[in-house]
Amino acid sequence: SAVISQKPSRDICQRGTSLTIQCQVDSQVTMMFWYRQQPGQSLTLIATANQGSEATYESGFVIDKFPISRPNLTFSTLTVSNMSPEDSSIYLCSVEGGGIGDEQFFGPGTRLTVL
Amino acid sequence: KQEVTQIPAALSVPEGENLVLNCSFTDSAIYNLQWFRQDPGKGLTSLLLIQSSQREQTSGRLNASLDKSSGRSTLYIAASQPGDSATYLCAVKTSGSRLTFGEGTQLTVNP
Repeated sequence: SAVISQKPSRDICQRGTSLTIQCQVDSQVTMMFWYRQQPGQSLTLIATANQGSEATYESGFVIDKFPISRPNLTFSTLTVSNMSPEDSSIYLCSVEGGGIGDEQFFGPGTRLTVL
Repeated sequence: KQEVTQIPAALSVPEGENLVLNCSFTDSAIYNLQWFRQDPGKGLTSLLLIQSSQREQTSGRLNASLDKSSGRSTLYIAASQPGDSATYLCAVKTSGSRLTFGEGTQLTVNP
């Protein structure tokens, strides 16, 4: 299974600022995924990040608001830009394990509160 | 558009009870189905993965079944313990490796 770490684990930010979340995986993976979990809700896919190409965003999410970098096969960042209180969520990084059946694994999440 | 529903939304049981969590999905063209556990404020822990060609998977006290044609999966937890208290999420994988999640079942096991 893949081991995923995220930084920061939590943060409290002021509206209008930006926060960059880092995701590190202990093995090389083709695709990395970023999910958002708003309070009391389930997970929603923000975008899929492949190394060496632009991220693919889901409906309702745009690059200007959630720019993503994928500089190599073990690392990605998600930036939440020009934050508002509605951006308060847990942001989770995820990868496919690459083993039998493409089991998906998740990082511990970044809990973001925007005041 | 794939939709995933989990019933019940919340469940409270005494310790030792066997229980069943339900998951249904609208589009049977899935690649696999995965059950996760989430503790409050934490990330997701993968519990069981069932491929679309499989009927069930077992891990310890957990057993998950899949009926793809009817769009249903169940997670069976035997001899529940207080440490099983968490939110259980069902997710189906469709094209593009996209996971669609249900809303989850919040389980409380009382000592």
